[in-house]
Amino acid sequence: DIQMTQSPSSLSTSVGDRVTVTCQASQDISNHLNWYQQKPGKAPKLLIYGASNLETGVPSRFSGSGSGTDYTFTITSLQPEDLATYYCQQYDNLPFTFGPGTKVAIK
Amino acid sequence: QLQLQESGPGLVKPSETLSLTCTVSGGSISSSSYYWGWIRQPPGRGLEWIGSIYYSGSTYYNPSLKSRVTISADTSKNQFSLRLSSVTAADTAVYYCARRIAAPPRSYFQHWGQGTLVTVSS
Repeated sequence: DIQMTQSPSSLSTSVGDRVTVTCQASQDISNHLNWYQQKPGKAPKLLIYGASNLETGVPSRFSGSGSGTDYTFTITSLQPEDLATYYCQQYDNLPFTFGPGTKVAIK
Repeated sequence: QLQLQESGPGLVKPSETLSLTCTVSGGSISSSSYYWGWIRQPPGRGLEWIGSIYYSGSTYYNPSLKSRVTISADTSKNQFSLRLSSVTAADTAVYYCARRIAAPPRSYFQHWGQGTLVTVSS
């Protein structure tokens, strides 16, 4: 299985700040990476697919980048409604695997 | 608008079989562009892919669960189902059904059900 790690595991920052989450795969996943947002008590929601493609309807303050084994998810200006846990997920190989998540809190 | 809804018992005894159904509305599970699958999340923990089924009937399972998992589909009811046998407390989780787009190089879980909590306890 491809192992996914994320850092940090949690962060607390202010509205308007820039947030960066990193995701590392245990092997090259060729940009086959998605990012999801999960708000408390809700199902995950797709934000970014194919490492850098913004899902339709998702605000442009969310973005993704990276290649090989290392990927980055960014919120350029944190909003109160962005309180959530963010997960990366690889689809290069079965079984699909998720990162452990990054919990974003608002100061 | 596509909607997925999980249903099934919220409490299962250890060693028994967990059975859940996902009812799909606003779209057909017979479409060739999508896979239909299950993902679970133990309380306070991360996400684990369980497996998927394609319209052709082909199934794909997580090797960690493969010996205990069966995913099937009933196209006449536009439903697909999960059976997980010999459950233990470690199988306690919120179970989500989801539709995955499969259009290489794209592949992502675009639509999710609301999730249903299944507790394994005597």
